[in-house]
Amino acid sequence: GAGVSQSPSNKVTEKGKDVELRCDPISGHTALYWYRQSLGQGLEFLIYFQGNSAPDKSGLPSDRFSAERTGGSVSTLTIQRTQQEDSAVYLCASSPGALSYNEQFFGPGTRLTVL
Amino acid sequence: DQQVKQNSPSLSVQEGRISILNCDYTNSMFDYFLWYKKYPAEGPTFLISISSIKDKNEDGRFTVFLNKSAKHLSLHIVPSQPGDSAVYFCAASARTGNQFYFGTGTSLTVIP
Repeated sequence: GAGVSQSPSNKVTEKGKDVELRCDPISGHTALYWYRQSLGQGLEFLIYFQGNSAPDKSGLPSDRFSAERTGGSVSTLTIQRTQQEDSAVYLCASSPGALSYNEQFFGPGTRLTVL
Repeated sequence: DQQVKQNSPSLSVQEGRISILNCDYTNSMFDYFLWYKKYPAEGPTFLISISSIKDKNEDGRFTVFLNKSAKHLSLHIVPSQPGDSAVYFCAASARTGNQFYFGTGTSLTVIP
């Protein structure tokens, strides 16, 4: 079956522009996570969606970052007024349920470069 | 503050030998631990997990050991194969939480 897909795979943008990153989770997975991996760093949690519950936004680094998940499926991560420090690989993952013990299935990531 | 640490950014091992990847954590509330493997240009894929009620979990060539008193876990790969060359991340979560905390990864190179 299809795994988690993300688009675009690469995005180069100029400082100050807005970007949108898309994630299509595995069908039927109720939980969706966004992470980012900056150079030399681990995966940094950004936001978590579970079903129709309010998302856990505790990892978003600033108010320039926002995410939504429409219809409990596709998710979009938006970064406004991008800065060079936003350059990173943004990874999306989905899992079958709410419990933190569930394995997460990752997409291939979107590499964002802010010039 | 990094709650999960992988202090070795890289490791090289001869094919057929044992690879040992280490991970330390600071949060005593963590009770579930996972290892992920990541190839270039791909997302991490789940490898093996262990809950805090165990101190060892084995799956084929892969074994994870957990030392709760030392807040340390390790992944053993025996025998190592060239296809094991990848970046390995450890991750931890707490029953009460929503998120996994990941280490910075260890790049393993298995030399043929």
